[in-house]
Amino acid sequence: DAKTTQPPSMDCAEGRAANLPCNHSTISGNEYVYWYRQIHSQGPQYIIHGLKNNETNEMASLIITEDRKSSTLILPHATLRDTAVYYCIVRPSGTASKLTFGTGTRLQVTL
Amino acid sequence: DSGVTQTPKHLITATGQRVTLRCSPRSGDLSVYWYQQSLDQGLQFLIQYYNGEERAKGNILERFSAQQFPDLHSELNLSSLELGDSALYFCASSVGTGGESPLHFGNGTRLTVT
Repeated sequence: DAKTTQPPSMDCAEGRAANLPCNHSTISGNEYVYWYRQIHSQGPQYIIHGLKNNETNEMASLIITEDRKSSTLILPHATLRDTAVYYCIVRPSGTASKLTFGTGTRLQVTL
Repeated sequence: DSGVTQTPKHLITATGQRVTLRCSPRSGDLSVYWYQQSLDQGLQFLIQYYNGEERAKGNILERFSAQQFPDLHSELNLSSLELGDSALYFCASSVGTGGESPLHFGNGTRLTVT
């Protein structure tokens, strides 16, 4: 599975956009980019995923570079409830495809 | 609410004992995954089932076993428990088995072995 590199921590002011980067330079053409977050010790929460195109849903936007070697998760208007550990995961498209979690980015949203 | 239900929420037991953790997947999901999260190991994949059959195995100890039943719920059995088995155990489900099907996680079972 392709490895990902994320900054260990980031801060963001409430109401501002939070831009979380992820490097996945060894990604192959059939691998998806997934983002999850974990608040305290709750179960990981699915945010968004994409293959090649940028994606947007009610929670966030995912921007994938044209060469697919990196991506950015954008939370458009961060709130205190967005404080969590965010995981960027590269996942193969084949069957029996599991998620392999790294150490993620701890996002702290402040007043 | 992810729609994945795990019971019990908390479990406290002694070393050497055996416990069973239960997971009900989201309606319509055929695939179930089990993960372990301990303080020093992060989230570790244990095992995956799809429609009753084992599909993938991760770092699951021989003392641990799992199964998925015809109604698609799954159980994770942990036996000969050791102090190091204390962890959060998460279940996740997805519609299919491929990379395009997001996993949705339950809120876990916190196991404490004393």
